[in-house]
Amino acid sequence: QQPVQSPQAVILREGEDAVINCSSSKALYSVHWYRQKHGEAPVFLMILLKGGEQKGHEKISASFNEKKQQSSLYLTASQLSYSGTYFCGTEITGNTGKLIFGQGTTLQVKP
Amino acid sequence: NAGVTQTPKFRVLKTGQSMTLLCAQDMNHEYMYWYRQDPGMGLRLIHYSVGEGTTAKGEVPDGYNVSRLKKQNFLLGLESAAPSQTSVYFCASSYTGFEQFFGPGTRLTVL
Repeated sequence: QQPVQSPQAVILREGEDAVINCSSSKALYSVHWYRQKHGEAPVFLMILLKGGEQKGHEKISASFNEKKQQSSLYLTASQLSYSGTYFCGTEITGNTGKLIFGQGTTLQVKP
Repeated sequence: NAGVTQTPKFRVLKTGQSMTLLCAQDMNHEYMYWYRQDPGMGLRLIHYSVGEGTTAKGEVPDGYNVSRLKKQNFLLGLESAAPSQTSVYFCASSYTGFEQFFGPGTRLTVL
């Protein structure tokens, strides 16, 4: 039931792009994306709802393919501050925020 | 505005001891959550609450109990700690179930 994230880890140079994928075997109501820096708490990035609505706070984009139950997070022109571990959280029934998180993707951006 | 706070920040227990972790939020959020995070496992939901006086089981509820007597507080109890409960525990709160705000975490070691 845990969503599968890929890749597990990625190393980039500043300015390069990255895509992180999240795949579920269950029909989803929404997909949530969080970033966690080492030793810190996770921070909300974006939510993608069934039906196409997106809500986010940063200049990071994402997509949600409802037919395939897959979501992708697009990090363009990466900055050093993008380094951290990215988690997708999947919600099957709405209005509770009951999330099942993937195992995480570690992103390292080098100068 | 303190956001989400957790008490204590660190704790060491012996097997069989009991303890309570306190989560407090000052944002008037309806929804609150307890997660545990283990290396390579991502975040796993233990219990959650969608309002004062309500609680529900998450993904890994065994060995834990919770209470939400006041809207601003969510308590996580371990009745008889086991080494398998060594983990970092995060509390989170949310207004709508969408964006979750995480506390700084409690690092628990059970010997």
